[in-house]
Amino acid sequence: AQSVTQLDSQVPVFEEAPVELRCNYSSSVSVYLFWYVQYPNQGLQLLLKYLSGSTLVKGINGFEAEFNKSQTSFHLRKPSVHISDTAEYFCAVTPDSGGSNYKLTFGKGTLLTVNP
Amino acid sequence: DSGVTQTPKHLITATGQRVTLRCSPRSGDLSVYWYQQSLDQGLQFLIQYYNGEERAKGNILERFSAQQFPDLHSELNLSSLELGDSALYFCASRDTSLETWYNEQFFGPGTRLTVL
Repeated sequence: AQSVTQLDSQVPVFEEAPVELRCNYSSSVSVYLFWYVQYPNQGLQLLLKYLSGSTLVKGINGFEAEFNKSQTSFHLRKPSVHISDTAEYFCAVTPDSGGSNYKLTFGKGTLLTVNP
Repeated sequence: DSGVTQTPKHLITATGQRVTLRCSPRSGDLSVYWYQQSLDQGLQFLIQYYNGEERAKGNILERFSAQQFPDLHSELNLSSLELGDSALYFCASRDTSLETWYNEQFFGPGTRLTVL
């Protein structure tokens, strides 16, 4: 079984400041990792994913994340945030072998609030 | 727009009642997943169907059931509703035509269920 811990439930930042949202996972098997974003009253949208290869992955809207296998982490970063980045961010994992048919296990989410 | 549609958008009902949530996956996607998002439990996987057959089960209550029809749309049936069933229910679909590589899940906008 897998579990995901998002260390901060809320992160307030000022516009144009950098931000890091932290995610740690636990799994007995290799996993694929994802970050999803949920804007108010909307569904989930994929920001980026790590499947294999380079541990630094770039996503949409200027976000990037780094996979660290030894620390079982997949932190999300953005060098300069905008008001429009205000949303809830979810880290998720799934076994890379297709175990449980690629169901996603999510963290509790981090609410990013960007203030002017 | 992810291409996944869910109806209705909102549903308000009373305890003890039964409701049906509907999901239409992206064109051609054979796999459908259901997730529940609640304040206390977060985002949890409920059940997955592939081409009409149940493939994986998560933390789905016995009062809940699902099915996938020949046209690939799926329905989630919730019965004997309790206050604690109030949540946002998401459907996601995945393209499984290329099983040599992972294809991500695309989420619908969700159905918000309120049980009074």
